[in-house]
Amino acid sequence: EIVLTQSPGTLSLSPGERATLSCRASQSVSMNFLAWYQHKSGQAPRLLIFRASSRATGIPDRFSGSGSGTDFTLTISRLEPEDFALYYCQQYGTSPQTFGQGTKVEI
Amino acid sequence: EVQLVVSGEGLVQPGGSLRLSCAASGFTFDTYALTWFRQAPGKGLEWVSTISDSGHYTFYADSVKGRFTISRDNSNNTLSLQMNGLRAEDTAIYYCARADNWNYLSDYWGLGTLVTVSS
Repeated sequence: EIVLTQSPGTLSLSPGERATLSCRASQSVSMNFLAWYQHKSGQAPRLLIFRASSRATGIPDRFSGSGSGTDFTLTISRLEPEDFALYYCQQYGTSPQTFGQGTKVEI
Repeated sequence: EVQLVVSGEGLVQPGGSLRLSCAASGFTFDTYALTWFRQAPGKGLEWVSTISDSGHYTFYADSVKGRFTISRDNSNNTLSLQMNGLRAEDTAIYYCARADNWNYLSDYWGLGTLVTVSS
């Protein structure tokens, strides 16, 4: 199975700052089927980005995704208070779907 | 508005069984695949099982294959997960999600329900 490694484990930033989250795959992600989810405690995970760089419906444009092959990045251009959460990358191009271990964005 | 509501939370002894249900609304149910995910305490997200829009195709993680059965009722907009032979390592919050029927991308998730396997 494809192993996804996210870095850093925790990102300590302030509102208004830029956040850069990394996701590296153990092998090439088929068709760049790489998604990013935001997850807050007690809530359902929320799809932010799919196919590496496409924003999901209703997602603000401060969220952007980039990358291809084995290296992917989620960028939050200017952090809002509601953006402090856990972020997971997921590859869905090869079965089984797999997730990274998550990056916590904290104040 | 897409809604997915999971029920069936419970405490089960090792070796026991439990059935989870997911009631869907706000979209054309039989045109989407559906997926179960889980998150064990202190761990990340894990894919468990997916069923195609028609129900003809099912897929399972190796960790649950032969013990869990995914099914759907397109007349009642309901997804189910029958879990048999439960183990302590199955303890987790279980989520259902709507998925694209071509690439199985999950775009909407419901709130999870806790399954605890313990004696």
